Amino acid sequence: DAGVIQSPRHEVTEMGQEVTLRCKLISGHNSLFWYRQTMMRGLELLIYFNNNVPIDDSGMPEDRFSAKMPNASFSTLKIQPSEPRDSAVYFCASSFGGGGLSGANVLTFGAGSRLTVL
Amino acid sequence: AQSVTQLDSHVSVSEGTPVLLRCNYSSSYSPSLFWYVQHPNKGLQLLLKYTSAATLVKGINGFEAEFKKSETSFHLTKPSAHMSDAAEYFCVRGSQGNLIFGKGTKLSVKP
Repeated sequence: DAGVIQSPRHEVTEMGQEVTLRCKLISGHNSLFWYRQTMMRGLELLIYFNNNVPIDDSGMPEDRFSAKMPNASFSTLKIQPSEPRDSAVYFCASSFGGGGLSGANVLTFGAGSRLTVL
Repeated sequence: AQSVTQLDSHVSVSEGTPVLLRCNYSSSYSPSLFWYVQHPNKGLQLLLKYTSAATLVKGINGFEAEFKKSETSFHLTKPSAHMSDAAEYFCVRGSQGNLIFGKGTKLSVKP
């Protein structure tokens, strides 16, 4: 298995532009998580899905952020319009488990997408 | 609120010497605890996992961690550091509906 695959690995864009980050889950995994990592705030959970259904999106910063799972193996995180404070590394992770995070789930992380908004 | 506290933001050791990265968790009936490692410009990789089986957990790359309920600790250790161990290490607690990450400890290894 190729693991969790994220694209793009790096993106530089200008304020106001739309950004779309993509994630392919590990085959057979049914939970998908989006995290954001910054120096100031560390790792923050943005949203997670179980069986394609969003379970907890309380970490999504604001309406500019949206995440979807159009199918069981793929997810997108969209920022529209982007702002300089959105600059961060965005990680996608997947796991196999029921009902979201049971507390014992092992997450497999992608390599991250580094976003810079000028 | 349930939490994990990594006591050191930065630890520096010499190659070949022991590594100790400290983590304390807030009290809970039965925590699930993990250590993840993040090498520069890479994603997080699971080192080891505790889920109330053996209190001494062995992980990859020679790392191990001991769950001590009396001290609410889950410190990560390795007998002899290698240059390739230089990375950031995260103590993580599993909790219903979320994983709670510590702030991370950056490990530097000097030749």
